[in-house]
Amino acid sequence: QVQLQESGPRLVRPSETLSLTCAVSGYSISSGYYWGWIRQPPGKGPEWIGSIYHSGSTYCNPSLKSRVTISADTSKNQVSLKLSSVTAADTAVYYCARHQGCSSTACYAYNWFDSWGQGTLVTVSS
Amino acid sequence: SYELTQPPSVSVSPGQTASITCSGDKLGDKYACWYQQKPGQSPVLVIYQDTERPSGIPERFSGSKSGNTATLTISGTPAMDEADYYCQAWDSSTVVFGGGTKLTVL
Repeated sequence: QVQLQESGPRLVRPSETLSLTCAVSGYSISSGYYWGWIRQPPGKGPEWIGSIYHSGSTYCNPSLKSRVTISADTSKNQVSLKLSSVTAADTAVYYCARHQGCSSTACYAYNWFDSWGQGTLVTVSS
Repeated sequence: SYELTQPPSVSVSPGQTASITCSGDKLGDKYACWYQQKPGQSPVLVIYQDTERPSGIPERFSGSKSGNTATLTISGTPAMDEADYYCQAWDSSTVVFGGGTKLTVL
């Protein structure tokens, strides 16, 4: 059974870069699937950030694309997220999740997130 | 940008049937999935590809779609299903979530 665990600084200063890692266990990311990042501001609904295949193929939310870098490290079996120039609006619980319904080159009309990490709250504040 | 619209809240009596809707432009040509989220917990997938139920999800959860509206139905709703529910779809290479519906069982 796949398990995902997010980790990284819980407090980030405004204008700096948020960096998170998602360690995947129980499944080798080299075997397939896209792996996604989703965030959820306190009291609000989820917002997709982006998803990556182990080859480096990525999809990204257009509203965040200019600030987002997502990468995959097959040797460590983990995926990472960097979000630059953060503001208080980026305060949220950040989740990683396995993104089903995608091939190595594309996501199909039917896709979903079937396994989620526990999430980590990142606060942007000086 | 694409939007999915859900009612902010739905109430149901224990043991009755709850229905939560999700509407979007041309949703009939896309696929919807549904997540349940209880306070302090991560979302859990309860329906994918409009009508499919993941293993381990109780049979009381079902999904349907008519026109541009997807519906999550919970039959015989127990108190433990009180939670927030979110629909999700894919549009223009982007994952889109609905605003969420708080289901109250009382």
